Amino acid sequence: EVQLVESGGGSVQPGRSLRLSCAASGFTFDDYAMHWVRQVPGKGLEWVAGISWSSRDIGYADSVKGRFTISRDNANKSLHLQMNSLRADDTAFYYCAKDPGWYTGYFDCWGQGTLVSVSS
Amino acid sequence: EIVMTQSPATLSVSPGERATLSCRASQSVSSNLAWYQQKPGQAPRLLMYGASTRATGIPARFSGSGSGTEFTLTISSLQSEDFAIYYCQQYNKWPWGTFGQGTRVEVK
Repeated sequence: EVQLVESGGGSVQPGRSLRLSCAASGFTFDDYAMHWVRQVPGKGLEWVAGISWSSRDIGYADSVKGRFTISRDNANKSLHLQMNSLRADDTAFYYCAKDPGWYTGYFDCWGQGTLVSVSS
Repeated sequence: EIVMTQSPATLSVSPGERATLSCRASQSVSSNLAWYQQKPGQAPRLLMYGASTRATGIPARFSGSGSGTEFTLTISSLQSEDFAIYYCQQYNKWPWGTFGQGTRVEVK
């Protein structure tokens, strides 16, 4: 069974940093691209960042470019999101999501999410 | 950036009735369109990809159609478990994907 389990969320002050992690199991992790998607509580979904299986290709939403860094560790089957210079509008649930292929772009499996709250 | 617009924002339907949800892209996304269902307190679940292909385990009462800029998700006979929020998402250029704002399907 495919499982994605996020961790690392919490409350943080504006301008600080946080690192999210996603532990993957139940599939061959390094065969698939991975993504982060976020959702402000009670609002819609926003794609944040994506990374190819090899880490060669990476993309970011304009709203986080230059502040967030996506990375992966295929040996340990984990995905990460380093979030710097956090702002109040980064407050959201952050979901780890699996791409069904190398470069497909939709999400066939999601974690349960981890909440990031940015406030002073 | 491709903008996805869903309509209506809320759809009130009686159990057993048909529901038709629309999604429009600001430019052509070919058939690179997915649909997701989200229930309160849960992560989204993939329903449809390639505009019209059901994901694994999705009942046949869900169907998708369209290409280019106009897409439709149809639920032929609404069951109690289908009342949820539905999002469309374009994935025409990896890795950038954009979502619609969602359609809430509620009990009439």
